[in-house]
Amino acid sequence: GNSVTQMEGPVTLSEEAFLTINCTYTATGYPSLFWYVQYPGEGLQLLLKATKADDKGSNKGFEATYRKETTSFHLEKGSVQVSDSAVYFCALSGGTGNQFYFGTGTSLTVIP
Amino acid sequence: GAVVSQHPSRVICKSGTSVKIECRSLDFQATTMFWYRQFPKQSLMLMATSNEGSKATYEQGVEKDKFLINHASLTLSTLTVTSAHPEDSSFYICSALSLAGDWPDYNEQFFGPGTRLTVL
Repeated sequence: GNSVTQMEGPVTLSEEAFLTINCTYTATGYPSLFWYVQYPGEGLQLLLKATKADDKGSNKGFEATYRKETTSFHLEKGSVQVSDSAVYFCALSGGTGNQFYFGTGTSLTVIP
Repeated sequence: GAVVSQHPSRVICKSGTSVKIECRSLDFQATTMFWYRQFPKQSLMLMATSNEGSKATYEQGVEKDKFLINHASLTLSTLTVTSAHPEDSSFYICSALSLAGDWPDYNEQFFGPGTRLTVL
């Protein structure tokens, strides 16, 4: 079946530090992969996505590359800011009816 | 574009009452909408898949008689929590999937901002 395994948090970083949040997946077929961000008290916002192998999604300085050989979609940012503090969810889509499968979420806190 | 709204954003009710939450796609038509529940500091749990004009498909362990879903049109789905109890207190999030081949990208779900339900 489909599933997503995400690095557990919480993660605390100093401003301008490098960020990596690991995400690996199990899927049948050819899923699309997503990273969503959730700020406190809000819903999910799409951060970036990749729809096929070797695609790189990028947005707001965040990047993730769809690696079919390692079934991974790790999120990276070269220099985090305080405003990046949020919960990040890795997800895949591709089941019947385009259901989404979410990872458990990784809480990121960036301190000045 | 591709905005999904939820109403209300917060609701507090007494135990035993019913609460209705609306999910609307504001600028696109959604054949399918999904309802999720999120517990504090946890991931989203898919509750049900709602298809316009047909009965919702519930995930295992979700009581269909307690969580009534109606997908009345291509832009509106409602979730009614019947006879709510304190354990139903949670953050409920909906998402909408666009019609195949239409804007926005068919393969993407757009999420509402969530509804915080507190049952006293």
